[in-house]
Amino acid sequence: DAGVIQSPRHEVTEMGQEVTLRCKPISGHNSLFWYRQTMMRGLELLIYFNNNVPIDDSGMPEDRFSAKMPNASFSTLKIQPSEPRDSAVYFCASSLPREKDEQFFGPGTRLTVL
Amino acid sequence: GNSVTQMEGPVTLSEEAFLTINCTYTATGYPSLFWYVQYPGEGLQLLLKATKADDKGSNKGFEATYRKETTSFHLEKGSVQVSDSAVYFCALKKNAARQLTFGSGTQLTVLP
Repeated sequence: DAGVIQSPRHEVTEMGQEVTLRCKPISGHNSLFWYRQTMMRGLELLIYFNNNVPIDDSGMPEDRFSAKMPNASFSTLKIQPSEPRDSAVYFCASSLPREKDEQFFGPGTRLTVL
Repeated sequence: GNSVTQMEGPVTLSEEAFLTINCTYTATGYPSLFWYVQYPGEGLQLLLKATKADDKGSNKGFEATYRKETTSFHLEKGSVQVSDSAVYFCALKKNAARQLTFGSGTQLTVLP
């Protein structure tokens, strides 16, 4: 299995630009998670989906952030407009539906907003 | 709410030294507990897990025992290798929940 796939791996953009991060979960996994990792705040859960439906988006920092999951094999995290404080590594993870199943993480997207 | 407290890093050890990384948690009921490892430039990988009290998770020479009485899940390895250098995260998941709550991570560097 290819694992969780994220693109791009690195993104450098200027403040005010729109950024779209992409994730393809492992086939058959029905839960998908978006995390943000920074030195200051560690790993934070932004949002997660179950069967393509957003279940908990309480971690989304503000209205500039939005996430979608149009089908079981694709999700996007969009930041519009981006700000320098959004610079972080963004991880996508997926898991099977059973309660005790582990989450499988993608390699992450390193975002730098200048 | 749920929380995980990890030993502050960074931790630097010589090869073949004994490793302990402390982890304690706050949660109601009986959460599942996990240790994840993040190698440089990569995503997190599950290292081991325990789903009920007194369970011992083990993998690649690492062990951790779910201690309900002390709400702890300390990670141990008897003899570390240079290749174990990474960031280690303790995490919990409440039963019936999908999301993980992570600790702050502990950077381990093993010197030859």
